[in-house]
Amino acid sequence: GESVGLHLPTLSVQEGDNSIINCAYSNSASDYFIWYKQESGKGPQFIIDIRSNMDKRQGQRVTVLLNKTVKHLSLQIAATQPGDSAVYFCAESTKGGKLIFGQGTELSVKP
Amino acid sequence: DAGITQSPRHKVTETGTPVTLRCHQTENHRYMYWYRQDPGHGLRLIHYSYGVKDTDKGEVSDGYSVSRSKTEDFLLTLESATSSQTSVYFCAISERGLEETQYFGPGTRLLVL
Repeated sequence: GESVGLHLPTLSVQEGDNSIINCAYSNSASDYFIWYKQESGKGPQFIIDIRSNMDKRQGQRVTVLLNKTVKHLSLQIAATQPGDSAVYFCAESTKGGKLIFGQGTELSVKP
Repeated sequence: DAGITQSPRHKVTETGTPVTLRCHQTENHRYMYWYRQDPGHGLRLIHYSYGVKDTDKGEVSDGYSVSRSKTEDFLLTLESATSSQTSVYFCAISERGLEETQYFGPGTRLLVL
């Protein structure tokens, strides 16, 4: 989910387990959503996107689910690996608007 | 990092000095952006460009200026650096509009003493 103050929410999972990272977005008119991964000391990296005419989209080991009714987005990572440890954040936009970024969730993978 | 480089990668400067950060892309994307990233905030847009010599302000533009004289280069200038501008600065690019997928550079860590 989104962070409060200076400390990001943290999700800790065991290597090999599935991870679910959540994002509550703010604008009911948003029609495009992106998940980014940011490793320590690096720039955000595009993972997967979804448009509002879809409920689910799958990539390699990742799935994004969109629930427009409750304005909720989730990122599922299958068989989580140590290399998945990072901060994950979502972004939303409306047509003609700008991308708005959330603050993120820190994923920690225990070996 | 999608063919995006930023320079310098790290900089320490003193309050009141001018600082210029450079972003260079090899993707020929029309749109370029400067963001800052601070604890407790998501990425915040400083300025963006939608073409050569075409720029506009973002949500935190005060104290910053930009220039884009070539498609591949986007410069961010802090005219007179302040301690509140200590941050990590990211450049991003996109092929289409502001609402579309943006790809980020590796960042510049700036410390203003």
